[in-house]
Formats: sequence, C-alpha cells, structure tokens
Amino acid sequence: GQNIDQPTEMTATEGAIVQINCTYQTSGFNGLFWYQQHAGEAPTFLSYNVLDGLEEKGRFSSFLSRSKGYSYLLLKELQMKDSASYLCAVEDSNYQLIWGAGTKLIIKP
Amino acid sequence: IAGITQAPTSQILAAGRRMTLRCTQDMRHNAMYWYRQDLGLGLRLIHYSNTAGTTGKGEVPDGYSVSRANTDDFPLTLASAVPSQTSVYFCASSLETGHNEQFFGPGTRLTVL
Repeated sequence: GQNIDQPTEMTATEGAIVQINCTYQTSGFNGLFWYQQHAGEAPTFLSYNVLDGLEEKGRFSSFLSRSKGYSYLLLKELQMKDSASYLCAVEDSNYQLIWGAGTKLIIKP
Repeated sequence: IAGITQAPTSQILAAGRRMTLRCTQDMRHNAMYWYRQDLGLGLRLIHYSNTAGTTGKGEVPDGYSVSRANTDDFPLTLASAVPSQTSVYFCASSLETGHNEQFFGPGTRLTVL
C-alpha cells in the first residue's frame, strides 16, 4: 500500500529552528511536495523536490533522500505566522499526489 | 476572478439530496482535481481531469461524479448524499499533470445530515 508518515503535532519557540520529517512508501516516485495550510484555509505550495539534496527558499528549506524514502522541511527564524499545518505529498507513478495527514506546528512566544 | 474559486462556501444538506459543488479557474490550467479533507486524514483525491473533455477516478470516487466540458469549470456532483460525505472539499488546478504545483480553491464545507 501507499503510506506517508509525518508527526501529528510539533511545538517550537519563536525565533528558533524546527525540522518536520516525512517518510513515504509509494508505488513509484515522481517528486515530493510540501504545502502549508493555516486553520480554515486552503493549502498553499511551499516546495518541490525531485532529486536528492537540499532546496533552499528563504527561511524554508526542504531535503529529499529517495533511497531512504525520507524528506524534511526546515523552518528557520520561526515567526508566529508560521503556526499552521505542514503537509507532505508524494507524486506517485500515476502522477497523483498521495498526502500525509499533516503536521500541526504550534509556535510559542 | 483571479485564481480558483469554489461555491458554495458551506452547505448543510439532507441525506439523499443531490448536490453540485462548483469550481472555476481562470489560469488556463489543463489539470484539475477534487479532494476531500477529513480530520486526521490526508487529502484524498476523488476525481481528476488532465485536460478538458477527460476525467479520471482518484482514491475515493464512489458516490461522486465530475464533468469537464471546458478548461475553466470542474463541477463535482453528489448524486444522493450520505452522512459519510460530510467533509471539506477542495478543488485544485495545475498547469499540467505531473511535476507541477497545485493551486487550491478556498474549499467548501459540506455537512450531510
């Protein structure tokens, strides 16, 4: 079967760094996406990895290891507005996205 | 309109009733998708369309139907609603199928009683 695992909830302090992990087992792999979703709102795109390594975009970075079926999203200099759910999604061999249940990130002052 | 819109924003529906959720995008994206999001679960794909005139079944298609008569519109119909279809429904679009960021509409919160 297809499976995406990520922690249900994490807590971090404003100004700090947090790493959200995602492991996956899917039928085929055509890329991995990270989305941010604030409560009551739609998901919005953060990053896309198709090759191994680190992709940096401002305060956010995403890492992929295809051999390990593993990715992480790194958020630096945390701000209160970063309080949201972070969704990991893998594009399978049919180019359909398989989604994790999301990690709720709580930022404390 | 700019981007992708959905209607209605929310709806309470009696079981057995027919309901169509509307989705429109003005980005000239070829691919469109319908997802449902339930607490504790990831987004699940209901139906998709790679281009106007074609549709396909996703992970949870039973009880739902779609059509794609043109590029912009992708309505989702519940022929006879059941309480298990209570959920938040998101429509999304991408320029092409595969390797492309998906843009999401604001969602429709549907309650079936």
